[in-house]
Amino acid sequence: NAGVTQTPKFRILKIGQSMTLQCTQDMNHNYMYWYRQDPGMGLKLIYYSVGAGITDKGEVPNGYNVSRSTTEDFPLRLELAAPSQTSVYFCASSFGRLSSYNEQFFGPGTRLTVL
Amino acid sequence: GIQVEQSPPDLILQEGANSTLRCNFSDSVNNLQWFHQNPWGQLINLFYIPSGTKQNGRLSATTVATERYSLLYISSSQTTDSGVYFCAVHLQGAQKLVFGQGTRLTINP
Repeated sequence: NAGVTQTPKFRILKIGQSMTLQCTQDMNHNYMYWYRQDPGMGLKLIYYSVGAGITDKGEVPNGYNVSRSTTEDFPLRLELAAPSQTSVYFCASSFGRLSSYNEQFFGPGTRLTVL
Repeated sequence: GIQVEQSPPDLILQEGANSTLRCNFSDSVNNLQWFHQNPWGQLINLFYIPSGTKQNGRLSATTVATERYSLLYISSSQTTDSGVYFCAVHLQGAQKLVFGQGTRLTINP
């Protein structure tokens, strides 16, 4: 299994541009998550999905959109990039609801800079 | 919301030394995970430990849920142990991990 994969690894955007960060998992996990990590900080949840067709907001959803058309893929869309969105973005997945029995697995991250 | 505090924020050691990293949390949690973020930025799962003690090679972790803390022990440190160590907790009913700010560990040869 490749686990959780993300593309691209790095990207530089100009203010106002849009882009989609791709995330795929091959572990047949139902739950998927997007986090962002600002310099020197821990991760904060942007959006999550409990299954195909179902998404919900996390702590910091403003400026982002997500969709979940398949179990494997969970893309994150930035419509009008702003410098405040400069961050490292991590995708994660878990088999089921976070609980004392399920843990999250993380992708390698996408480093995004908005100039 | 729940507060997750890690200490120390920075730790510099010589190769071969032992270390203890601490994670305190302000509320009852359903789950706790320890991660190592290597110098390339990748998050690596170390332990999934809502309570009790687990060991994996030179690393071990203990969570005392009733007292709301967890400890990560690293013995005989190697330079490859360098990076940032995060603990993250999960509250019952929530679908997110809440991360601490991390402990940056530097192991010098």
